[in-house]
Amino acid sequence: GAVVSQHPSRVICKSGTSVKIECRSLDFQATTMFWYRQFPKQSLMLMATSNEGSKATYEQGVEKDKFLINHASLTLSTLTVTSAHPEDSSFYICSARLTGNGYTFGSGTRLTVV
Amino acid sequence: AQSVTQPDIHITVSEGASLELRCNYSYGATPYLFWYVQSPGQGLQLLLKYFSGDTLVQGIKGFEAEFKRSQSSFNLRKPSVHWSDAAEYFCAVGPKTSYDKVIFGPGTSLSVIP
Repeated sequence: GAVVSQHPSRVICKSGTSVKIECRSLDFQATTMFWYRQFPKQSLMLMATSNEGSKATYEQGVEKDKFLINHASLTLSTLTVTSAHPEDSSFYICSARLTGNGYTFGSGTRLTVV
Repeated sequence: AQSVTQPDIHITVSEGASLELRCNYSYGATPYLFWYVQSPGQGLQLLLKYFSGDTLVQGIKGFEAEFKRSQSSFNLRKPSVHWSDAAEYFCAVGPKTSYDKVIFGPGTSLSVIP
């Protein structure tokens, strides 16, 4: 149980276009979801925290207008990378807090901007 | 400030040898503690977690970890390493009382020599 499905697993897009990444909680309600970014051979850095029905809270240095987060339902949170550039190429991972039981992570999305 | 340190950036062990990955944390109170493993290009998989109770925690794939409050440590161990254990290992801490963010350590890359 407690699975977060993340899609797509890999995406290649042209510079200047937008890409949407989805995370769905399959068998539980995710009130709060977190979005992380991971550069090669580095740790996960939290980008933002999204709460269902309210605006996301972004970490310092993360451009909220570039990384749009929507958490309109208890089972779906999306991250849209707008006007993507090669420096946005990275591994993006979502996670959801489980009540009293830790966290579960999506399988990640490898974004390559060419 | 809250932080997680993993002193060893890279460790190489021979197959069949024992393994210990170190993790130290700085936190206001005893947090939830986690170890995750990430294979190349993959998402995160939870190995084990500590919430309370017995300070020696058993996880999947033959891993265990011991919480030592006095040392603010949560070291991961495995008595006999398999070649398939080669991966990146992340220690993480998260709050017990709110939907706050999980903090990840920088990771330890494990290589296994046949």
